[in-house]
Order: sequence, then C-alpha cells, then structure tokens
Amino acid sequence: VQLQESGPGLVKPSETLSLTCTVSGGSLRENYWSWIRQSPGKGLEWLGYIYYSGSTDYNPSLKSRATISVDTSKNQFYLRLSSVTAADTAVYYCARGSTTWHLWGQGSLVTVSS
Amino acid sequence: EIVLTQSPDTLSLSPGERATLSCRASQSVGNYLAWYQQKPGQAPRLLIYDTFTRATDIPARFSGNGSGTDFTLTISNLEPEDFAIYYCQQGSIWPPYTFGQGTKLDI
Repeated sequence: VQLQESGPGLVKPSETLSLTCTVSGGSLRENYWSWIRQSPGKGLEWLGYIYYSGSTDYNPSLKSRATISVDTSKNQFYLRLSSVTAADTAVYYCARGSTTWHLWGQGSLVTVSS
Repeated sequence: EIVLTQSPDTLSLSPGERATLSCRASQSVGNYLAWYQQKPGQAPRLLIYDTFTRATDIPARFSGNGSGTDFTLTISNLEPEDFAIYYCQQGSIWPPYTFGQGTKLDI
C-alpha cells in the first residue's frame, strides 16, 4: 500500500487549501486515514482523521477550518483548510491510522503567500 | 492538551554505542506512546507503538519502555543509518494527539 498527496503548492492568504491523498495497492475500507502537517514553527501537528465510512475527528486548534472527506470509489481522501494564513505553511502528510500512523505519504509542501 | 517534552534536544554518539532518548508527558498517557524516526526530506517512520511494540520490519536494536508519564527509546549498537531525528507521540488523550519536539541523534 502506498499513499500519495497531491494539490497546489501555493495558496493565497484567506483562501482554501485543498489536498488529495490517493491510496494505491490497497483499499480505503476498514481503516482510519489521517492528515498531519509539519512546519518549522510548530513541529508535527495532527490535523484530523476520517474513517472509511465517513466519520471524522479534528484537532480543536484548527477552530473548525478543516474538513476531511473520503471517496471510496476513487480510493482517495481529502483535506480542505479554509481561511489560511502564513501560519498554515507546512509540509502536509496523509497517513493510515487514527492515533498511531504506520504508513505515510511522502508529503506535500504548501506555502501560503500572496 | 498533553505536552510531550523530549530530552536531550541533541545527542552526539558514535556507531556501535547505545542511545537512550527520553520523552515526558504532562499527564499520564497510559501505554499509548509511539516513537518515529525522520530523516531529511522523508516522512516520519513508525518505530515503536503502544510503548513496547516494534512496528513492521523494525530491527530488534530499537526498544521502547516506560508507562504513565515517562518513556524511553533505546537504540543499542548504533548503525550509521540510525542518525536522524526521533519524535515521541501520544495517542491517549483525545483530542488532539500530540508529538514531542524531537531529539536529533548526531553522529
């Protein structure tokens, strides 16, 4: 099983960051899937997870700006982060698991700048 | 939110030596503590979960111990590929699941 993040590398302040994680070599079913980011200022930060059936949990620090969704027919799950600021500049990882992450994507650098 | 504090920030050792890395939690996390290794330009790699259990394909020279608030990762007989940054992470108190700030293991 492999995970691959994709999406724009540059997002303007106040806009919405959108990333896709494609799962290959296996199924999304019967698993939890997470988004985690890493920035020089805040280190590693868990953003939230989704179960293949659609139930979700999020880091309260995001103040409801994050939405994670899943499309089992495409074997993909998604992150949307609204009202971004420079503080959201980070490498974004998708990973398999809810509280411990055994498998990670390679990461996608997203820069927030005008 | 549970704060994880790792020590030391940097550990300088030589191949063949033993490394002991520490992680202290601001409140008990039971045994829900994991360790990750990260090399430059790579994603973190799970080494140990639930305090003691090695992840798939992790060599036996990596071992974890502890409970409650105090945990250690021990790497015996350091290999050149072990020099990296190591993070602890708690999966106990939700939300959120948090990471330590990292320990850099320097050759």
